[in-house]
Parts: sequence; C-alpha cells; structure tokens
Amino acid sequence: DAGVTQSPTHLIKTRGQQVTLRCSPKSGHDTVSWYQQALGQGPQFIFQYYEEEERQRGNFPDRFSGHQFPNYSSELNVNALLLGDSALYLCASSWGTVLEQFFGPGTRLTVL
Amino acid sequence: AQSVAQPEDQVNVAEGNPLTVKCTYSVSGNPYLFWYVQYPNRGLQFLLKYITGDNLVKGSYGFEAEFNKSQTSFHLKKPSALVSDSALYFCAVRDNNAGNMLTFGGGTRLMVKP
Repeated sequence: DAGVTQSPTHLIKTRGQQVTLRCSPKSGHDTVSWYQQALGQGPQFIFQYYEEEERQRGNFPDRFSGHQFPNYSSELNVNALLLGDSALYLCASSWGTVLEQFFGPGTRLTVL
Repeated sequence: AQSVAQPEDQVNVAEGNPLTVKCTYSVSGNPYLFWYVQYPNRGLQFLLKYITGDNLVKGSYGFEAEFNKSQTSFHLKKPSALVSDSALYFCAVRDNNAGNMLTFGGGTRLMVKP
C-alpha cells in the first residue's frame, strides 16, 4: 500500500514564476492538506481540500491556490513566486473521522 | 487561536537514558494533540495522538506522551533512548472548535549520544 506521494522532489524557480506541486493521497484517504515548512521551522497550514473543495485555509495570500481531483489527488499552485516562498512543501492525507494526518516526503522548492 | 510551544530547540541525552521532549499548547476548545518525527530530507512520521481518555498515550517505537490539562502540556517521553531516535520532533494541536488544521510547534532536535 503506497503512502502519500509527492512530485517533484526538488524544484528550482526564479522570482515571479509560477509553480505547481502534486500530491497523491494514501489509498483510501479523501482529504488532502498542504503545509509549508520553512528552514528551521515547523510546518504551517496552507489549506485543506475535501470533496474537491477548499474546506479550510490558513494565513496565506491568494497567490497560493489549490485543486483536488475526483481521484482525491491534489495540486498546489503558487503564482508570482517570492524568495520567501523557498521551503519544503508537505502534503498530508487523512480520511473521515480518523484524526491523524499522514505526510508525504515533501517537495523542496528553491526560489532564486 | 491555537498555538504550540516547544521550549527547547535541542535535547541531548545519552543512549539508554530516559528522554523527555516538552510541549505546551493553547486552544479555545478541547485539544487533539499529536507528536510527529522528521528524519533528514523526509516528511513527518506520526508517532502518537491524544484525543480523549487515559492521559498517558502510548505510540510507535516505544514513545509515550502524557497529557496534562491543568498545565496544558503534552510532553513526549521514552524510558530508554536509542541513537536511532536522533531526529526532529514536532508537537501539533488541533482545536476541535477550529476545523481540521494542525498547528505545529517549532520543533525540538533530539540528539542521542552513544
């Protein structure tokens, strides 16, 4: 049983560009959450998707947007990249009333 | 607003000795509490959770955590540390009145020396 998978593993972009990160949840999971982990810090909640809709959003600007597909996979899009967007982006999946979230290995985004 | 504090950036312990990694939290409702571990260049691995019931929660790899409502704490413990326990540990809270988001502490690096 595959866990949460994310692609790509690493990504280098320049300021002003746009990026799309992808996540496939653990088998049987229907909820996907995205987190940003800056170097030396704990993860910060970006948003959560359930039934193809954004269910909850953290304190992130509109440059951060997402999507969930019918197969429960998800994308995170970031527009107009800033140097401060450099971070490890983590995807987590969960199901129903099960409270723990299972995390993928993350995508390391570097903005130059 | 919910928040988590991990007051120690690093904890050093000798192999075989007991370890404690501290966590305190703040929520408006009832807390759901979690511990995760992160190894270098890896995502977070779930260790244990407290939802309700017994204040002592047992988790993976011999770890346990004690929920203390009066002190709003959820310290992670292990009776006998292993060198392989060396990693970054994160405490997280979910307020049952604030939706599904997890709020994480800043992390504590655990160093277990032989």
